[in-house]
Amino acid sequence: DIQMTQSPSSVSASVGDRVTMTCRASQGISSWLAWYQHKPGKAPKLLIYGASSLESGVPSRFSGSGSGTDFTLTISSLQPDDFATYYCQQANTFPLTFGQGTKVDIK
Amino acid sequence: EVQLVESGGGLVQPGGSLRLSCAVSGFTFRSYDMNWVRQAPRKGLEWIAYISTSGSPTYYADSVKGRFTISRDNAKNLMYLQMNSLGAEDTAVYYCARDGSGKYDFDYWGQGILVTVSS
Repeated sequence: DIQMTQSPSSVSASVGDRVTMTCRASQGISSWLAWYQHKPGKAPKLLIYGASSLESGVPSRFSGSGSGTDFTLTISSLQPDDFATYYCQQANTFPLTFGQGTKVDIK
Repeated sequence: EVQLVESGGGLVQPGGSLRLSCAVSGFTFRSYDMNWVRQAPRKGLEWIAYISTSGSPTYYADSVKGRFTISRDNAKNLMYLQMNSLGAEDTAVYYCARDGSGKYDFDYWGQGILVTVSS
């Protein structure tokens, strides 16, 4: 199985900050990587698919990059609605696997 | 508007069975692969099952293989998850999720349904 490792596990940031988080796959997955935002009690929300494609309706302050084994999600200017947990997911091979999450909270 | 609504969750004793349903609307169900994903308390997201548009092939996480069965009824716009031999480790919120524009990602999710396995 492909293991997905996210870092950091948590980050404290302020509104307006630039926030970057990474995701590493245990083997190459080309660009088949998705990022989700998850808030307690709500459905996860797809932000990025194909490593860098912005899902329709997602604000442009979210961006993704990377290929192979190393990927990055960047929030260019953190907004109050962005405090949540973010998960990466390899979308290349079954079994599909998620990272353990990066929690973004208020500094 | 795309909607996915899970039902059938609740409290079940260890070793018991439960069948979850996912009712969909707002899109052509028979044209989309579908999935089940769960989140145990204080844990991350875990993909557990996939079904293609026609019902075959299906794929499972090792944690549920042989105990859970995913199926669908394209005429009724319904997907199911039959869960047998349930254990405490299966306690989680279960989400149904539609396959997205990437290879195997999830663009729409239900709100989730809680399954609690306890005596």
